[in-house]
Amino acid sequence: QKEVEQDPGPLSVPEGAIVSLNCTYSNSAFQYFMWYRQYSRKGPELLMYTYSSGNKEDGRFTAQVDKSSKYISLFIRDSQPSDSATYLCAMLKGVGNQFYFGTGTSLTVIP
Amino acid sequence: DTAVSQTPKYLVTQMGNDKSIKCEQNLGHDTMYWYKQDSKKFLKIMFSYNNKELIINETVPNRFSPKSPDKAHLNLHINSLELGDSAVYFCASSQAGRLADSYEQYFGPGTRLTVT
Repeated sequence: QKEVEQDPGPLSVPEGAIVSLNCTYSNSAFQYFMWYRQYSRKGPELLMYTYSSGNKEDGRFTAQVDKSSKYISLFIRDSQPSDSATYLCAMLKGVGNQFYFGTGTSLTVIP
Repeated sequence: DTAVSQTPKYLVTQMGNDKSIKCEQNLGHDTMYWYKQDSKKFLKIMFSYNNKELIINETVPNRFSPKSPDKAHLNLHINSLELGDSAVYFCASSQAGRLADSYEQYFGPGTRLTVT
């Protein structure tokens, strides 16, 4: 079993829709949770990070962590065509430790 | 200014050849990484160097050898290339020692390797 599981999609939504992206993990030692966005033929870029359980909001993006269920989510409100990309979740056990990435979910927002 | 740069961007070569990919970061970070991303977009860590010292060496064939001449550079040399080595290779860096920065890895643009 992979340490981090993510539905690869692809996911296709109309512009303005609310998008929900999810990852599950098996190792309770993970403490830091990140979402990276990767545009086609580019390297991933950090979108958001959270520490421990709870919600974090940044504009149209909300990251949610439920450590009891080992489940993290990224919500995108009022999705735009420019949000079309692959979204990768990533997790870290501690500072200086190895990053574990999900397989990425491909999202297309249709105008 | 480019934060993490890789050369070459594209590499097409034949099976059995030896090739190198170079990576440089100008962010002053102390940790650099090599990742392999396959056709299904799975990003897999290969190596990690902290201050020129190897700290992560995942199960990677020993045909792959990283070399870090200094903190700002991490090169990847691949011997006897095989068809299965075809993928996009990403270099990344982070400042592992500073809590505020350690969540973020800065990725290079990738090197698309095709082995024929």
